Amino acid sequence: DAGVIQSPRHEVTEMGQEVTLRCKPISGHNSLFWYRQTMMRGLELLIYFNNNVPIDDSGMPEDRFSAKMPNASFSTLKIQPSEPRDSAVYFCASTLGLAGSTGELFFGEGSRLTVL
Amino acid sequence: RKEVEQDPGPFNVPEGATVAFNCTYSNSASQSFFWYRQDCRKEPKLLMSVYSSGNEDGRFTAQLNRASQYISLLIRDSKLSDSATYLCVVNPPPGGTSYGKLTFGQGTILTVHP
Repeated sequence: DAGVIQSPRHEVTEMGQEVTLRCKPISGHNSLFWYRQTMMRGLELLIYFNNNVPIDDSGMPEDRFSAKMPNASFSTLKIQPSEPRDSAVYFCASTLGLAGSTGELFFGEGSRLTVL
Repeated sequence: RKEVEQDPGPFNVPEGATVAFNCTYSNSASQSFFWYRQDCRKEPKLLMSVYSSGNEDGRFTAQLNRASQYISLLIRDSKLSDSATYLCVVNPPPGGTSYGKLTFGQGTILTVHP
């Protein structure tokens, strides 16, 4: 079975450019999470969706970040304009229901972003 | 105070050793807890849930101490393949708007050497 699929796996871009990260959750999962991981701050929840609706976006750092989930099988995280401090690994994760009952999130392999 | 705090380590232990990690959480109303494992440059994966009564899965034992607000993970008979980062995860209490918003600790690095 296919797991969570993220693209691109790696992206190197210059400051000021727009970055779009993509995620396809596991089929049948109705909750989707975007996390960011850095050495300094660890894994931080940016936003999560339930049934394609954003439930909590309090972790989104600032207006430069936006996320959408137009349907149950696709989500995007966009950074515009990008800055060097956005360099991190961005993980998408999905689960059935909310994560609270089982605690099991299924993560994609991550998108490693470097902003020069 | 951070919501979830872990000793980052690194812990360097020989094969066969027993090693334990602790994690503290700030929200006393939290009710569900988990340990995830993350291999180098890979994604996190659920290792085990932590139940109030404690639970064991092979060489791994997880325990919860609600009074002191900490959870622990014990690994017995360490293997080279146990080398990874272990992430403590806390789920806010049910009924609130944050339920399901899993909060990860920064992780404890374990290296098992021959």
